[in-house]
Amino acid sequence: GAVVSQHPSRVICKSGTSVKIECRSLDFQATTMFWYRQFPKQSLMLMATSNEGSKATYEQGVEKDKFLINHASLTLSTLTVTSAHPEDSSFYICSARISTGTLSAGSYNEQFFGPGTRLTVL
Amino acid sequence: AQSVTQPDIHITVSEGASLELRCNYSYGATPYLFWYVQSPGQGLQLLLKYFSGDTLVQGIKGFEAEFKRSQSSFNLRKPSVHWSDAAEYFCAVGAIKTSYDKVIFGPGTSLSVIP
Repeated sequence: GAVVSQHPSRVICKSGTSVKIECRSLDFQATTMFWYRQFPKQSLMLMATSNEGSKATYEQGVEKDKFLINHASLTLSTLTVTSAHPEDSSFYICSARISTGTLSAGSYNEQFFGPGTRLTVL
Repeated sequence: AQSVTQPDIHITVSEGASLELRCNYSYGATPYLFWYVQSPGQGLQLLLKYFSGDTLVQGIKGFEAEFKRSQSSFNLRKPSVHWSDAAEYFCAVGAIKTSYDKVIFGPGTSLSVIP
């Protein structure tokens, strides 16, 4: 259980085009999904938190107009890299947190990670 | 704000030798701690996690980690390393912020295994 998928696994695009990456929770509902970016030989950096039915919350330094996030259902969040440039080439990983009803104060709900999407912008 | 440090960028061990990867965290409340492993070009695999209770946590693939609050550490250990353990290892701390949770990752430790 608790499987998260990403599509596509790899994408190559030309500079200036937009790319959409999907993150799906396959066997559970996820009120909240997270998007991370990982450059080669580096750690994962949280880009944004995606909440179903509301606007995403972006980390400092992440351009919300460039990285569009939509969380239209409890099992799907999408990240669109608009007008991609070579510096956007990276490994993008999503995670999903199981919805267990009301999140009580002080509790922690584990996140499950997708396999990642390798984006190469030429 | 929470943070995670992994002092060793790269470690090389011989196959069959013991392994310890260090992790130190900074967080103002009770931490939720994780160790993940990532093979080249792959996603993350959870090795083990600590939420509460017994401070010695057993994970998959023969790994264990010990939470030491006094030292703010969560070091990962394995008594006998296999060649297939060569990968990148990330320590992470989970934090609670308002109504959602964040996971902050350490910089990672790259493990090489000599046959």
